[in-house]
Amino acid sequence: DTEVTQTPKHLVMGMTNKKSLKCEQHMGHRAMYWYKQKAKKPPELMFVYSYEKLSINESVPSRFSPECPNSSLLNLHLHALQPEDSALYLCASSQSVAGGTEAFFGQGTRLTVV
Amino acid sequence: QQQVKQSPQSLIVQKGGISIINCAYENTAFDYFPWYQQFPGKGPALLIAIRPDVSEKKEGRFTISFNKSAKQFSLHIMDSQPGDSATYFCAAKREYGNKLVFGAGTILRVKS
Repeated sequence: DTEVTQTPKHLVMGMTNKKSLKCEQHMGHRAMYWYKQKAKKPPELMFVYSYEKLSINESVPSRFSPECPNSSLLNLHLHALQPEDSALYLCASSQSVAGGTEAFFGQGTRLTVV
Repeated sequence: QQQVKQSPQSLIVQKGGISIINCAYENTAFDYFPWYQQFPGKGPALLIAIRPDVSEKKEGRFTISFNKSAKQFSLHIMDSQPGDSATYFCAAKREYGNKLVFGAGTILRVKS
C-alpha cells in the first residue's frame, strides 16, 4: 500500500468558517508534509512533521494550523482564510526526512475560499 | 531564490518522439533528484529518481541523465505517448534535509 489518502477532495468555505483537512498513510512513514499548490505552479512546502513533531514551518500564516495526532495522521486546521488561500493542498509522506527517501503525495484537497 | 531551474516551460512532441526536459541546480549539497508527473486535478506521482553517484538511470521509457560537474540533470521520455501528456516537475533534496525543492514545471503535450 503506497497510498496517501486525503479528505475531503473538494472544500468550499467562507472566510469566517473553520474547517480541517485530513491526511492518512499506512506505510509506516515517519515524515509527513503539507504543500500548497497554485495553478500551473510547483508545490510549495508549508509544514514538515518528523516523528510526529513539527520540524519545519515555512513562515505560514497562523490561519493555517497543522496537527499530527499520531504517526499515520496529519491534519491542517483552517480558520479565517482569505480568497487568495484557494489552492490545491497536498499531503505527502516519506519514510524519514533523510535524503533519498521517496515522497508519496496524496491526491490533494481542492480548496476554494469564498 | 530559485534553487532548481527547469526548462522548457512547455513542450509539444509528436507521438513516438523523444521528450527532453532539463533542470539545473545550484546547491551542491543536493544529493537526491526525483522527477514527478502530475495530471490535472491529481497529486504529483514519483516517476523516477537518481542519486549523483550514477550518471544515468533508466526505467522503461523514462531515463534520467545526470551531470554532476555541470550541476544539471534531465528527463528523457522515449517513444512519447499521448498518455504522457502531463506536467513534469524536477526536484532536489539534501541528504539530511527535509525539504524537497521543485523546479517550475514543464507542461508536456504529446500529439497523436
